[in-house]
Amino acid sequence: AQSVTQLDSHVSVSEGTPVLLRCNYSSSYSPSLFWYVQHPNKGLQLLLKYTSAATLVKGINGFEAEFKKSETSFHLTKPSAHMSDAAEYFCVVSRDTGRRALTFGSGTRLQVQP
Amino acid sequence: EADIYQTPRYLVIGTGKKITLECSQTMGHDKMYWYQQDPGMELHLIHYSYGVNSTEKGDLSSESTVSRIRTEHFPLTLESARPSHTSQYLCASSESGGSNQPQHFGDGTRLSIL
Repeated sequence: AQSVTQLDSHVSVSEGTPVLLRCNYSSSYSPSLFWYVQHPNKGLQLLLKYTSAATLVKGINGFEAEFKKSETSFHLTKPSAHMSDAAEYFCVVSRDTGRRALTFGSGTRLQVQP
Repeated sequence: EADIYQTPRYLVIGTGKKITLECSQTMGHDKMYWYQQDPGMELHLIHYSYGVNSTEKGDLSSESTVSRIRTEHFPLTLESARPSHTSQYLCASSESGGSNQPQHFGDGTRLSIL
């Protein structure tokens, strides 16, 4: 079975400083991993995905994530936070069942201080 | 920008009413999903569909039902709403293929049962 653990429920950074949102996963096979962002009262938007190609994945809005199999991690980073980055972020792992659905982490709320 | 639409965006209604939440996508995706999300929590899959006339229940037990008569349309129905049904409901779709296909989300329906 797959599982996803987002290590921080809340992260607060100052505008212009780096962002690190941590995610660990467990899977019995080589999974696909995703990061989604959810702004208030909106649906989820795909930031980036890892599908066993390059381990460093670049996404939209300057975000990137690195897949580290030895650490079973898929942390999301951004060099410089912007106020518009304030949102909820979900780390997601694909399932190895026939459902082709996703397992979501519990989310990390990112606050960006001016 | 994903072309998946949910209506209504917000619904406040009394106990015992029949409710249908609409979800439509214009991308021709075979796979569609319904998730339930409580405030500040992760998403839980309640229904999914591989295609027309194919629906299955997800992980989280739900008293709702779904139908998939047309590829683009995946409505969710509650026959008799109760306060315990108060939540946000998110619809998603994805292309056929492996588990590396990302899901595209609608903006959600925030449902409140009085």
